[in-house]
Order: sequence, then structure tokens, then C-alpha cells
Amino acid sequence: EVQLVESGGGLVKPGGSLRLSCAASGFTFRNAWLIWVRQAPGMGLEWVGRVKSKTDGGTIDYAAPVKGRFTISRDDSKNTLYLQMNSLKTEDTAVYFCVIVYYSVPYWGQGTLVTVSS
Amino acid sequence: NFMLTQPHSVSESPGKTVTISCTRSSGSIASNYVQWYQQRPGSSPTTVIFDDNRRPSGVPDRFSGSIDSSSNSASLTISGLKTEDEADYYCRSYDSNNPWVFGGGTKLTVL
Repeated sequence: EVQLVESGGGLVKPGGSLRLSCAASGFTFRNAWLIWVRQAPGMGLEWVGRVKSKTDGGTIDYAAPVKGRFTISRDDSKNTLYLQMNSLKTEDTAVYFCVIVYYSVPYWGQGTLVTVSS
Repeated sequence: NFMLTQPHSVSESPGKTVTISCTRSSGSIASNYVQWYQQRPGSSPTTVIFDDNRRPSGVPDRFSGSIDSSSNSASLTISGLKTEDEADYYCRSYDSNNPWVFGGGTKLTVL
């Protein structure tokens, strides 16, 4: 069974940093393309970025609003995906979900809440 | 960049059938697969349709997906509506420059 568990969310001041983690199990992690999606309170889903598997080049892509501030990485030895968030803004307040596509089916974690406020 | 447009809300009675549309602004809807996600209040999204019209294991066959090239749109149809189907539904597709594009979401009310 595919399981994704995010952690690391919390309250941070504008300009601050936070690192989210997503621990995965139930599939061959190193072969997976991994995605971060966020959802601001009362709003829709927004793609944050993704990292391809190393065998597919390991390319990392970011959405325009976070490019240059957020960094996605993966540790295949720990089956864990990371999202380093720097220079946080109030508009980054959201629940952050990690997502994997396994045999064409997207699986979602339960999400972790990030609140950026002074 | 292309956009996916969904109705803001739909409502229908239990036992009836409802269809939610997802219209692609540019590029062919048939060129890239469409997925549909269900998000119940307070929960994370789950996939109900992938690859335009396929259901993951465990999703009832009351849920179906389709593509209409003439209107450049995808549709999610839910038949035999149940109160538990009340949720937000999002479509998603992609192209070579935009890996994950979501529709704005549709709130389904089963009344």
C-alpha cells in the first residue's frame, strides 16, 4: 500500500525558512517522480514543483511563484522527499501535499500546514 | 500556458446523475491525459479517475470519465449519487511545459 506522510509544517514569520519532509513507503521510491502541491485556505490546488527519478535525469521543475525560494530534493536511501522553503511570504500559507504517480495513479499524502504570519 | 475551467458548483439529488466539466483553454484535451480528484472536507485529495477514463482500485463504477474533442473538454460523471459524494472535485492535465495544471475545482452538493 502506498503511504506518504508529510511533516515539518508550522508557524513561521515572513522571511523565515522551513523544511518539509515526506516519508514514503509501499512502492519503489527511487523510480518515482515526486511532486509537491499546495492548497491555500479555502482555495484550490496549486502545483509547487516536482523531481524526476534519477534514472529519468533527476530534473527538478518549479512553479513560477516559488522558483528561487523553494528547493526540492530527494534522498532515495531514506525514501524521503524534501521541500526547503526560504524567504517565506504570507501568500505561501497553505497545506502542502506530497504526491507520487505510481502506475499512472496519483497518490496523495495527508498534508502539512504551513502558516506564514508575523 | 493553458487553463482548465470548471464550474464553481453543481448540485443534484441523491440517486441522480451529475456531470462536471473541465474545459481546456488551449491545446487539445486529447493530447494529454486528464485526472480527476475528489477532496472531501478536511481531507486530502484522492484520485477517482486517471488516464481520462480509468478508475483506481476501490473507486466505485458510479464514477466515470470522458473526453470530448469537439468542446475540448473532459467530464466526470457520477451516477447514483450518494451523500458521501459531496466534495470538491478537481481536474488536472499537463503539457510539455506545464507538468501539473489544475482546474479551479467544483463543489458538488448532494441535497
